[in-house]
Amino acid sequence: GEDVEQSLFLSVREGDSSVINCTYTDSSSTYLYWYKQEPGAGLQLLTYIFSNMDMKQDQRLTVLLNKKDKHLSLRIADTQTGDSAIYFCAEKSGGYNKLIFGAGTRLAVHP
Amino acid sequence: DGGITQSPKYLFRKEGQNVTLSCEQNLNHDAMYWYRQDPGQGLRLIYYSQIVNDFQKGDIAEGYSVSREKKESFPLTVTSAQKNPTAFYLCASTLGTSGYTFGSGTRLTVV
Repeated sequence: GEDVEQSLFLSVREGDSSVINCTYTDSSSTYLYWYKQEPGAGLQLLTYIFSNMDMKQDQRLTVLLNKKDKHLSLRIADTQTGDSAIYFCAEKSGGYNKLIFGAGTRLAVHP
Repeated sequence: DGGITQSPKYLFRKEGQNVTLSCEQNLNHDAMYWYRQDPGQGLRLIYYSQIVNDFQKGDIAEGYSVSREKKESFPLTVTSAQKNPTAFYLCASTLGTSGYTFGSGTRLTVV
């Protein structure tokens, strides 16, 4: 069935790069998404990638997609304390714009 | 500015009481969704609606009900049949491939 998995926690030093990983199971997924959630708030769309792309870069964010291994990653360059949040990976599955979310990765940035 | 508005931000429910969470969007999106978020867990889909006057159950619909009488509005009722309603509830909408736009959430607590 449909499933999206992420590691639950990542700790990085301020100024370093962060890499958050995600695996998904639905090989027919057409779009994959990264969302950011700050405490007590809704989810904010960071970026998305179409399944026929390998990479997408948007300022400090780089998304890599390995479709063969069904692996998606989000790299945040020069990580700042304001990047501390929960990051959700999601795949678009089925014909009804339905998104399947991972459990989220909590990113902690320390000085 | 367009967006999704959820209200109230905090809601307290007594045992055996029904409560309704409001979700309104002015983005002209056709599809709307309700998710439940528990600590340390991902988002679980409660109900979704692709079009006015039509909606489908998600993965955890028991104890919840919805209506979609207007394109802009998708209220969620948490009934007394929901035995563990304390959670953070998120509403979202979408036009399609651009991903979801989320509201800021309602935190429901049973007292």
